[in-house]
Amino acid sequence: DAGVIQSPRHEVTEMGQEVTLRCKPISGHDYLFWYRQTMMRGLELLIYFNNNVPIDDSGMPEDRFSAKMPNASFSTLKIQPSEPRDSAVYFCASSYEGNEQFFGPGTRLTVL
Amino acid sequence: AQRVTQPEKLLSVFKGAPVELKCNYSYSGSPELFWYVQYSRQRLQLLLRHISRESIKGFTADLNKGETSFHLKKPFAQEEDSAMYYCALRGTQGGSEKLVFGKGTKLTVNP
Repeated sequence: DAGVIQSPRHEVTEMGQEVTLRCKPISGHDYLFWYRQTMMRGLELLIYFNNNVPIDDSGMPEDRFSAKMPNASFSTLKIQPSEPRDSAVYFCASSYEGNEQFFGPGTRLTVL
Repeated sequence: AQRVTQPEKLLSVFKGAPVELKCNYSYSGSPELFWYVQYSRQRLQLLLRHISRESIKGFTADLNKGETSFHLKKPFAQEEDSAMYYCALRGTQGGSEKLVFGKGTKLTVNP
């Protein structure tokens, strides 16, 4: 297994544009987590899913952020419209039955 | 509220010296505590968890409920230990699977 796969690895966009980040969890895992990492705030949980259902989205900063998990092998995190303060590294992680979380390589987002 | 505090953003030691990365937490119940590590250009990965009470790569961490701490220790640091270390907490009430992370400590082991 290649582990958790995220795309793109780097994204540079202009303020106001829509950004979509993608994640493929490890096959068989039933939990999927989206995190944001910044120098100021560290690693923050944005939202997590269990069996494709959003369980806790209390970390989603505002309505500009949305996440979906249409099936067990794919999830997206969308920012629309994007702002410079959204610049960060976004991580996806997956786990089985709440055990060890396995992280993807992250997507480095820069909003100009 | 669940909170994890890592008071040191940066920690620098010499090879062979003991190292201790501090972690304090705030949680009303009995939490599960973890240490995650991110080596340069690698993914964040689990280093150890308090319930397994094991030593990984020479690191140990003991949960001290009285002091609400879960400090990570290693008696003799190696250069390959240089990395970003994150302490994390998972609550055991309500079936939540979310992890709350500290802001991390960057450890540099000098030759």
